[in-house]
Amino acid sequence: SAVISQKPSRDICQRGTSLTIQCQVDSQVTMMFWYRQQPGQSLTLIATANQGSEATYESGFVIDKFPISRPNLTFSTLTVSNMSPEDSSIYLCSVPTGLGTQYFGPGTRLLVL
Amino acid sequence: GDSVTQMEGPVTLSEEAFLTINCTYTATGYPSLFWYVQYPGEGLQLLLKATKADDKGSNKGFEATYRKETTSFHLEKGSVQVSDSAVYFCALSGGSQGNLIFGKGTKLSVKP
Repeated sequence: SAVISQKPSRDICQRGTSLTIQCQVDSQVTMMFWYRQQPGQSLTLIATANQGSEATYESGFVIDKFPISRPNLTFSTLTVSNMSPEDSSIYLCSVPTGLGTQYFGPGTRLLVL
Repeated sequence: GDSVTQMEGPVTLSEEAFLTINCTYTATGYPSLFWYVQYPGEGLQLLLKATKADDKGSNKGFEATYRKETTSFHLEKGSVQVSDSAVYFCALSGGSQGNLIFGKGTKLSVKP
């Protein structure tokens, strides 16, 4: 299994500002995923981050709003830009570990006022 | 596209009651199926999985059987505890990017 940490664990932000979320994995992984979990909803994939290439975004998510960095095989960041209250969610990173299984970080709980 | 449908919650049970959370899926091909659990204030944890038809995943007293003929993966536990109170997500490995596709989640509350 992989051990994944995220920072910050939670934050309260003002609309119009940006927040960068960090995801650290205890082993080298090629692929990392970023998901969003809106209040009372399921998880939705935002994008896939591969080291050495541009992130691949799902329909409905754009790089200007959710820029992602992947500087090495153990680390990634997701920025939520120009935030509005609709961005209030839990943001989770995850890594695949074979046979489709994924391990998730503890999540970042974001509240935008 | 592939999708997962879970029974609507919330589900409220008394301790030691029998639990079933229904999950059905639509998929092209033969995905792996998963149940994840999210305890209050925590991230998602893998509860159990099954990778092919008729496989039974089990963990912590929970079980689910991969039923290809009914495209189902229902979660069961014979005797729930207060500590099982959480949100349960059914998921399949079918995303276009190798990601998981999740159901909407079912919140379970177990009362003493």
